[in-house]
Amino acid sequence: QMQLQESGPGLVKPSGTLSLTCTVSGGSVDTNAYYWGWIRQPPGKGLEWIGSVFHTGDSYYSPSLKSRVTISVDTSKNHFSLTLTSVTATDTAVYYCARVQLPQYWFVPWGQGTLVTVSS
Amino acid sequence: QSGLTQPPSVSGAPGQRVTISCTGSNSNIGAGYDVHWYQQFPGRTPKLLIYGDSNRPSGVPDRFSGSKSDTSASLAITGLQAEDEADYYCQSYDNSLSGHVVFGGGTKLTVL
Repeated sequence: QMQLQESGPGLVKPSGTLSLTCTVSGGSVDTNAYYWGWIRQPPGKGLEWIGSVFHTGDSYYSPSLKSRVTISVDTSKNHFSLTLTSVTATDTAVYYCARVQLPQYWFVPWGQGTLVTVSS
Repeated sequence: QSGLTQPPSVSGAPGQRVTISCTGSNSNIGAGYDVHWYQQFPGRTPKLLIYGDSNRPSGVPDRFSGSKSDTSASLAITGLQAEDEADYYCQSYDNSLSGHVVFGGGTKLTVL
């Protein structure tokens, strides 16, 4: 049973950089079968897709976040990572990582999520 | 950024049937991309409820069903139970702006 686990700082200062890692167990990120994605959910609000990455490093991002986001993959460590620059309070959210089923593009399984607060 | 539109809330009494709509456009649902549905309880991780428009993962009761037509999709829940009270999200793919994933804004289901 594949499991995903997010890790990283829970507090980031405004204008700083948010960095999270998603470690995959019970399977390999180095596969043509899936993409690997990040989704976030601000407190009390809905889900927002951030972006996704393939094991080759091919990635694509939400148009609204594209200028600030980088998603990368490390097959040797079996994890993928999210970097979001120039954060503001509106980036405060629970950040989830998830496996992306191809080609229809649904998300399962999900990590448990990690709350990242942007505050000084 | 284009997205999917859901009603903020729906409600129903135990045993009743409710539907949750998900309205898209010709660049996502109308373009033939699959629609998926997630169920989320407060403080919990979203759970895949329906994939590929109308398919249920193992373990999801057949009280839950999905359908799609033109630029819209629907989630139907029959025999409503108190435990169904949760937030529901639809999701699809959009081929505009170099392609991206879109979620609906979510619908809060209240069981009266």
